[in-house]
Order: sequence, then structure tokens, then C-alpha cells
Amino acid sequence: SQQGEEDPQALSIQEGENATMNCSYKTSINNLQWYRQNSGRGLVHLILIRSNEREKHSGRLRVTLDTSKKSSSLLITASRAADTASYFCATGYSGGSNYKLTFGKGTLLTVNP
Amino acid sequence: NAGVMQNPRHLVRRRGQEARLRCSPMKGHSHVYWYRQLPEEGLKFMVYLQKENIIDESGMPKERFSAEFPKEGPSILRIQQVVRGDSAAYFCASSPPSSGHSGYTFGSGTRLTVV
Repeated sequence: SQQGEEDPQALSIQEGENATMNCSYKTSINNLQWYRQNSGRGLVHLILIRSNEREKHSGRLRVTLDTSKKSSSLLITASRAADTASYFCATGYSGGSNYKLTFGKGTLLTVNP
Repeated sequence: NAGVMQNPRHLVRRRGQEARLRCSPMKGHSHVYWYRQLPEEGLKFMVYLQKENIIDESGMPKERFSAEFPKEGPSILRIQQVVRGDSAAYFCASSPPSSGHSGYTFGSGTRLTVV
């Protein structure tokens, strides 16, 4: 199974602090994506990092990818209460079925005002 | 650009009834993907469709589930004779033909409750 696994399962921080979530996977990937899901809502794509990239930034988000360790991290800087959500990593296979994303169970982030 | 539209948002069915979930992809997107999310779980791939073609249905249960994406109209995920274990959130995503990839656009989902 190539399932991504996020840790921690839950993270509670104060507004203004940084939040770091990690993701591990098992096999070769084409890309790794992070999504956010607010309670009861759909998923919002945050950022995609390709297998030949090591780091990517988007606003307050920073994603790293270490293919040798098969792991990725998502850092949210200067967190806000509105960042409260579940965060999922999803891996796209390398090979023929690279359209098929495999999601982890997610990290529930709570940012306290 | 309205994004990926799914309806209904919530659907309640009694055991044995049929559930029909609809997904209209983003304008210009001809590829549709269905995922299922069980409580406290991540999304699981079900099926990948292009217009009038099922490309990959490896994640679909063998019985009772079917999907289509006709030339005109939305994609439909159909669940016949629903059981309690079908209760879940069903998400649809779409992408353009030349998939790069830049990430999927997901709809808000249909939450199916089987009573």
C-alpha cells in the first residue's frame, strides 16, 4: 500500500505559532499534494510538490519533500484561527496510474485564538 | 467559473433504496474522479471517468456501485440497494485533459446516510 500517513493525528496550538505536520509514504511517487478540509466541507488543494523538488513555498505554507526518507512536511507559519481544519497529504503514483491519489487519514489542526 | 458542483449535499436513504449522486466538473474539465471518505478516514479512490468512458474503476465495490459520465450532463455515481456501510461522504474531483499535474479541484461532497 502506498497510503500516506500523517502525524500527528491531532495538533492544538495558539494563534501566531507555527504548525508542522508530517507525512510518510511507502512507494515511489510522481508528486505529493497537501489538501485542507474544513469540518463538513470538501477538500481544498493547497500545494503540490513534484518528486524532483525538495521545497516549495506558497504564502504562509512551506512544504518539504525527502524522497530518500519517503516523507514530507507541511509548515504553516504565523497560524490563524481560520487555519483550523484537517490537513491531508495525498500521493500520486509514479507510473501509469498517476492520476490516482492515495490519501492519509489527516491531521486535525486546532488553532486557538 | 462555478467550480465542481455536487448535489445533493446531503442524502438520506433507507436500506435497500437507490442513491444517485451527481457531479458537474469545472468548465473545461473532462476528467472526473470519485472518492469516498468514511468517518475519521482519508479519501479512497473509487473511479476515474472521461466523457463516455470509464478509465479506471479499480476502487469501486464489485456489486451495487456504478458510475457514468455521459456526453451531456453530469457524472452520476449510482449505488443500488444501499446498506448502512455505504454511509459516507462521496467527493468528486475534476481535472483538465492535459493533466500536469497541478492538483485536483474537489466538490463539497455528498453526505450519504443510510438509515
